[in-house]
Amino acid sequence: KNEVEQSPQNLTAQEGEFITINCSYSVGISALHWLQQHPGGGIVSLFMLSSGKKKHGRLIATINIQEKHSSLHITASHPRDSAVYICALGAQKLVFGQGTRLTINP
Amino acid sequence: KAGVTQTPRYLIKTRGQQVTLSCSPISGHRSVSWYQQTPGQGLQFLFEYFSETQRNKGNFPGRFSGRQFSNSRSEMNVSTLELGDSALYLCASSLERAGGTEAFFGQGTRLTVV
Repeated sequence: KNEVEQSPQNLTAQEGEFITINCSYSVGISALHWLQQHPGGGIVSLFMLSSGKKKHGRLIATINIQEKHSSLHITASHPRDSAVYICALGAQKLVFGQGTRLTINP
Repeated sequence: KAGVTQTPRYLIKTRGQQVTLSCSPISGHRSVSWYQQTPGQGLQFLFEYFSETQRNKGNFPGRFSGRQFSNSRSEMNVSTLELGDSALYLCASSLERAGGTEAFFGQGTRLTVV
C-alpha cells in the first residue's frame, strides 16, 4: 500500500464547478504539500500545510492530522485550472501521491 | 528573484552513455533535491544535497550520483544509461524555516535514452 493515496485519479468537470481532490496518508508527517503540474512538466508549489487550512485565491487546502487526510478545493473552476495536482509528504525528501488529472471543460 | 533553473531542458542520449544535468537553486537556498518522474513509477526521490553534502538518498542504483558546489548549484550524473532512465528529472530547492520547508521546483530536464 502506498504511503500517499490520492482520489480521484482523473476528474473532468465543467467550468464553474466546485472541485475537491483528496489525499490520504499512512505515516506521520512534518508537512504536506499540494503541487500543480501542467503539460510540459514544470511543477508549482501551491500550498504547504502542517495544520488547519490555507486559502490562496480560488484555491483552498485543508488538513486533518488526526485523520491523516488533506483536501484541495478549487472554487469557480476555470479551464486554466486543468493540470495534474499532486499531494506530497515531507520536506526535502518528498514522497508523492500518484496525482489527480483535472480537466475543466468550458 | 530568479527561480530554480535546470539545464538542459531536453536531452537525447544513447544507451551506455553518461549524462550530467545541472540545477541552479534560488539564491540563498542551500538544499537541493532531485527527483525522477516516469509514467510508470510517478515521482521518486533520488537524493538531496545540503551545504555540499549528500544528506538523503533514495533507492536508486549507484549509476545515479550527484554533487553540490559551494554556491549551492547541483549536478546529477547518470552513467551507463539504460532505456529505463528515460524520464523527466526535476530538482527542487528549499530554505529551511521555522514555519516549515517549502520546495520550489525547476522546469525539469527531459532525458530520452535511445
